[in-house]
Amino acid sequence: SQTIHQWPATLVQPVGSPLSLECTVEGTSNPNLYWYRQAAGRGLQLLFYSVGIGQISSEVPQNLSASRPQDRQFILSSKKLLLSDSGFYLCAGTGAGAYGYTFGSGTRLTVV
Amino acid sequence: AQKVTQAQTEISVVEKEDVTLDCVYETRDTTYYLFWYKQPPSGELVFLIRRNSFDEQNEISGRYSWNFQKSTSSFNFTITASQVVDSAVYFCALSEAAGDRGSTLGRLYFGRGTQLTVWP
Repeated sequence: SQTIHQWPATLVQPVGSPLSLECTVEGTSNPNLYWYRQAAGRGLQLLFYSVGIGQISSEVPQNLSASRPQDRQFILSSKKLLLSDSGFYLCAGTGAGAYGYTFGSGTRLTVV
Repeated sequence: AQKVTQAQTEISVVEKEDVTLDCVYETRDTTYYLFWYKQPPSGELVFLIRRNSFDEQNEISGRYSWNFQKSTSSFNFTITASQVVDSAVYFCALSEAAGDRGSTLGRLYFGRGTQLTVWP
């Protein structure tokens, strides 16, 4: 079965600082990977989608970027954080023939 | 484009009442998948159900039941005899099919969620 590891659980960063959130996958090769953001009181917004190494689709133009340097590693980055980047970030994955999606435990980011 | 609408932002009920959470979706795909997730205050997503676009059979699991109607593009979720532990945000989501012959799940789109509060 697939496991998504995501860290840190909470993060407080000043405006203008860089960001790097890492997500790693166990149990599945060549997974589809996803980054979601949930702003306070809002739904889950799909940010990035990746079907393989170096293959990234951006769903919403914004201050963030994503990279997939290895098959089971998915990184969410920002060069300069904005207040509006605060939220709950979830990494998710699914594999060929999988019944559903596996979600990480999330990172709660507060930009101050 | 895929779209999921959960018109009910918040619902409050008293314990033992039945409650239905509405979900309407839009897609041009003929093959797609629908999901419901529960998000407790801790934030993790708890999978509740998946339904394939070609299977309109309704499903019951204990106090939970789901009504899938392609004619109205709806996938509603009913909790019977609600309990305080049911209090959470509930998300409806739509997934496209991807890969060879749609055998892989593609992008997953969520509705805005419904905050359900069950009072004792």
